[in-house]
Amino acid sequence: EAGVVQSPRYKIIEKKQPVAFWCNPISGHNTLYWYRQNLGQGPELLIRYENEEAVDDSQLPKDRFSAERLKGVDSTLKIQPAELGDSAVYLCASTPGESGANVLTFGAGSRLTVL
Amino acid sequence: AQSVAQPEDQVNVAEGNPLTVKCTYSVSGNPYLFWYVQYPNRGLQFLLKYITGDNLVKGSYGFEAEFNKSQTSFHLKKPSALVSDSALYFCAVRFMDSNYQLIWGAGTKLIIKP
Repeated sequence: EAGVVQSPRYKIIEKKQPVAFWCNPISGHNTLYWYRQNLGQGPELLIRYENEEAVDDSQLPKDRFSAERLKGVDSTLKIQPAELGDSAVYLCASTPGESGANVLTFGAGSRLTVL
Repeated sequence: AQSVAQPEDQVNVAEGNPLTVKCTYSVSGNPYLFWYVQYPNRGLQFLLKYITGDNLVKGSYGFEAEFNKSQTSFHLKKPSALVSDSALYFCAVRFMDSNYQLIWGAGTKLIIKP
């Protein structure tokens, strides 16, 4: 069974350019998370989906970040325009559903460098 | 406020010695507790969790963790460290509020020296 798949693994862009990250969760996993992780720090939740509904986007900087999960399967996270401070690793994770005991399965991450 | 603390940025242990990576939390009620590991240039991987029952839980790669309710701690342990255990370790606590919020510690870098 394939794990959580993310692409691209690495992206280097100039500031003010747009960038998009894609995530395909484990088949059957209804809950999908996007996290941002800065070097040497813990993950910070950006948005959580239950199927196609964004149930927690309180930490998403909505002036420049957007996300979608149109059919409740794969998801895209977009930044437009990117700023220097957006350089980080963007992690996608999924669980079968929103039960407190569920374990998150993470993708390998997308490392963004903004120049 | 609900919080998770990993008081050590880095832990250094000689290979073959026991290791402990500390985690404490501040929360009301009964949280669910998790440890994840991150190897260089890799995503986070689940190690173990405490939900209920026996306070000592065993996980992947020979790791175990002890839940101590009175001290609100969930320290990660391994009896004999391997060089390959060197990685970044994260404690995470899920608070059973209406949002199932998952709070992450800042991480502890574990270095095992041969």
